[in-house]
Amino acid sequence: GAVVSQHPSRVICKSGTSVKIECRSLDFQATTMFWYRQFPKQSLMLMATSNEGSKATYEQGVEKDKFLINHASLTLSTLTVTSAHPEDSSFYICSATQGTGNTIYFGEGSWLTVV
Amino acid sequence: QKEVEQNSGPLSVPEGAIASLNCTYSDRGSQSFFWYRQYSGKSPELIMFIYSNGDKEDGRFTAQLNKASQYVSLLIRDSQPSDSATYLCAVFSSGSARQLTFGSGTQLTVLP
Repeated sequence: GAVVSQHPSRVICKSGTSVKIECRSLDFQATTMFWYRQFPKQSLMLMATSNEGSKATYEQGVEKDKFLINHASLTLSTLTVTSAHPEDSSFYICSATQGTGNTIYFGEGSWLTVV
Repeated sequence: QKEVEQNSGPLSVPEGAIASLNCTYSDRGSQSFFWYRQYSGKSPELIMFIYSNGDKEDGRFTAQLNKASQYVSLLIRDSQPSDSATYLCAVFSSGSARQLTFGSGTQLTVLP
């Protein structure tokens, strides 16, 4: 089946620094990628939707200047958390869909801890 | 506001029993429905998807969809302790915004 890979799986950064998370579709071209955030014991919350070559569409309440999303190619999207704070500590998950297919494949997720 | 509602549980069933997980959604135009399983600290993994009214079976799993009632369910037969996880219902929104809306998840525990 289709595989979506995220890197890094775990990252610890200091407060005020920026951290980048990569999401790659390994065996298909992902025209659309989604970024979610999940706090402990809560459901996935969609942060933004990105289409290759265009600006991401952010959900209400998500700061686009803080969570920078780049979808420069059909196989790679990146999420950069800028000026990270401890409250940004969370599980970040990307997912991807190909073309007109309805199935969405998830990456393994990235645990971010801001200290 | 497009919503997906699930009973958060926890739901406990004995090993070998049938676990029944339920989900309702508010967007009547929704086309596709998914069940994901998420183990603690891990990313969700797709169990089943269903598009048409009725039942869809895959091994021990059966998804049931009733669009008129805006209801989708997942049955797990012969439940195993390894089935213990949080089960997330997700609905693909209608229109051009192709995104999944997730329910809050139901925590299932299968007791050995």
